[in-house]
Amino acid sequence: LAKTTQPISMDSYEGQEVNITCSHNNIATNDYITWYQQFPSQGPRFIIQGYKTKVTNEVASLFIPADRKSSTLSLPRVSLSDTAVYYCLVGGLSNYQLIWGAGTKLIIKP
Amino acid sequence: DVKVTQSSRYLVKRTGEKVFLECVQDMDHENMFWYRQDPGLGLRLIYFSYDVKMKEKGDIPEGYSVSREKKERFSLILESASTNQTSMYLCASSLVNSGAPLTTDTQYFGPGTRLTVL
Repeated sequence: LAKTTQPISMDSYEGQEVNITCSHNNIATNDYITWYQQFPSQGPRFIIQGYKTKVTNEVASLFIPADRKSSTLSLPRVSLSDTAVYYCLVGGLSNYQLIWGAGTKLIIKP
Repeated sequence: DVKVTQSSRYLVKRTGEKVFLECVQDMDHENMFWYRQDPGLGLRLIYFSYDVKMKEKGDIPEGYSVSREKKERFSLILESASTNQTSMYLCASSLVNSGAPLTTDTQYFGPGTRLTVL
């Protein structure tokens, strides 16, 4: 059974690049990796999803090594509004499992 | 824009009461999900549904049941509320992309219901 592990919290400063890593040693062959962002009093919101190598969209990049046992969410040039909790999710078609990490609380300082 | 709404933002109930949490989505999504969210534990899947009247247990179904009589509505039922069910409850929906009942597609979440059981 896959389990996802991510840091409880991280701090950074405006304008910096932030990398949050998620460990998922038992990821299944057909599982995808998805990251969500959650602000207080809101439900999580999709950021990015990938299967292997690198995926980039307008807000983030996702790096997945060849063994897929970890993944790194990269947020370029963060601002105060990026302060939120970030969740890693592993799951997919191979089983009926959706394995969420416990979340990383990211605090961006001026 | 996909909209997922939940019937209450805050709810206070007493131990032993039957509790209904309602979720409605307006984008004709096949999949709907109920999670609970607790500090330090992230999101844990209670039940999901991939079609009307269809349901599958998630990781923590004990003490809960669900109902999906219409495609847009997914209800979570606590038959006899207990204090350990005090939590934030999140509903989500997603579109089936490939025909499989559970996909990796984007989940759209409601704002959550904070339930307190006294």
